[in-house]
Amino acid sequence: GAGVSQSPSNKVTEKGKDVELRCDPISGHTALYWYRQRLGQGLEFLIYFQGNSAPDKSGLPSDRFSAERTGGSVSTLTIQRTQQEDSAVYLCASSIRGGGNEQYFGPGTRLTVT
Amino acid sequence: GENVEQHPSTLSVQEGDSAVIKCTYSDSASNYFPWYKQELGKRPQLIIDIRSNVGEKKDQRIAVTLNKTAKHFSLHITETQPEDSAVYFCAARLNTGFQKLVFGTGTRLLVSP
Repeated sequence: GAGVSQSPSNKVTEKGKDVELRCDPISGHTALYWYRQRLGQGLEFLIYFQGNSAPDKSGLPSDRFSAERTGGSVSTLTIQRTQQEDSAVYLCASSIRGGGNEQYFGPGTRLTVT
Repeated sequence: GENVEQHPSTLSVQEGDSAVIKCTYSDSASNYFPWYKQELGKRPQLIIDIRSNVGEKKDQRIAVTLNKTAKHFSLHITETQPEDSAVYFCAARLNTGFQKLVFGTGTRLLVSP
């Protein structure tokens, strides 16, 4: 079946602009995660959605970052007033349930803020 | 909260040698420890995982060991091949609250022919 998909694959934006990144998880997966990966660095947790529960937003680096998950499926990560330090690959992952199950990663969105 | 430390940050071996990557975690309640492999320019993929009720798990050339008392776990790759070259991430799952995974900082493994 289809894996996790993300769009766009690449995004170049000017400093100060807002961007929206989209994630389509695997059908039936109740858990969805967003991570940030700077060049040559590790996976930085941003936010975690599990079913209809309130999300774990503890990893969001500032109030410029927000995320929604509509209907328990598609998720959108929004970065307002982008800064150059926001440049990174943003990875989305989903799992059939919570953290004790394999996470399937999407291909990522490479964000470049100029 | 949980903190996962991973060593070494880089590891270079000759083809055929073994490679060992070690991780320590801070939360004794953590009960699930996966390892992900990320090849250059690709997405991370699960290669092996272990739960806290076992001490070792093997899958062909890779194995993971867990020492709950010392709160550390290790990835062992035997008979390394050039295609094993990648970044490897360990992770630990909290057994409380949101039960999310906390990832280590990654180990870049280079296997030279």
